[in-house]
Amino acid sequence: DAGVIQSPRHEVTEMGQEVTLRCKPISGHDYLFWYRQTMMRGLELLIYFNNNVPIDDSGMPEDRFSAKMPNASFSTLKIQPSEPRDSAVYFCASSLKGDRFYGYTFGSGTRLTVV
Amino acid sequence: DAKTTQPNSMESNEEEPVHLPCNHSTISGTDYIHWYRQLPSQGPEYVIHGLTSNVNNRMASLAIAEDRKSSTLILHRATLRDAAVYYCILRDDYGQNFVFGPGTRLSVLP
Repeated sequence: DAGVIQSPRHEVTEMGQEVTLRCKPISGHDYLFWYRQTMMRGLELLIYFNNNVPIDDSGMPEDRFSAKMPNASFSTLKIQPSEPRDSAVYFCASSLKGDRFYGYTFGSGTRLTVV
Repeated sequence: DAKTTQPNSMESNEEEPVHLPCNHSTISGTDYIHWYRQLPSQGPEYVIHGLTSNVNNRMASLAIAEDRKSSTLILHRATLRDAAVYYCILRDDYGQNFVFGPGTRLSVLP
């Protein structure tokens, strides 16, 4: 398995533009998580899905952020409009139910820079 | 999720053992203790987890105190590639989201 795949690895965009981050979880995993990491706040959970359904989006900063999971093999995190304070590394992770045994597998992240 | 406390940073010499402590005094009976690490420019990766008994795998060992209020991640022979931020996280059977604290930044000196 290629692991959790995120794209792009790096994204530089201008303030006000729409940004879409993509994630392909490990095949067979039924949970998908989006995290954001900054120096100031560390790793923060934004939202997670179970069987493609959003379960908890309380970590989404504001309405400019939205996430979808149209099928078991693909998820997107969209920021519209983007702002400089959104600059961070965004990680996607997936896991199996009962992952107390298997843990989470994280992708390599997307480094977003909003100028 | 219950809170964990870890030292901000630690140093070790290469090829020596490293003991990374974690305090979790408010742990509940159903909480599993997980350890993850994050290498530079990478996402966090699973290291080890346990409930009550000590655990060993190819990466590390996990020693859990008898009262479960603390645990220690043991790297038996630190290498330069073990330099990373190590996170100690508690998760119960029902929680599906990890709450990451600041972790411990481990530096390995040649």
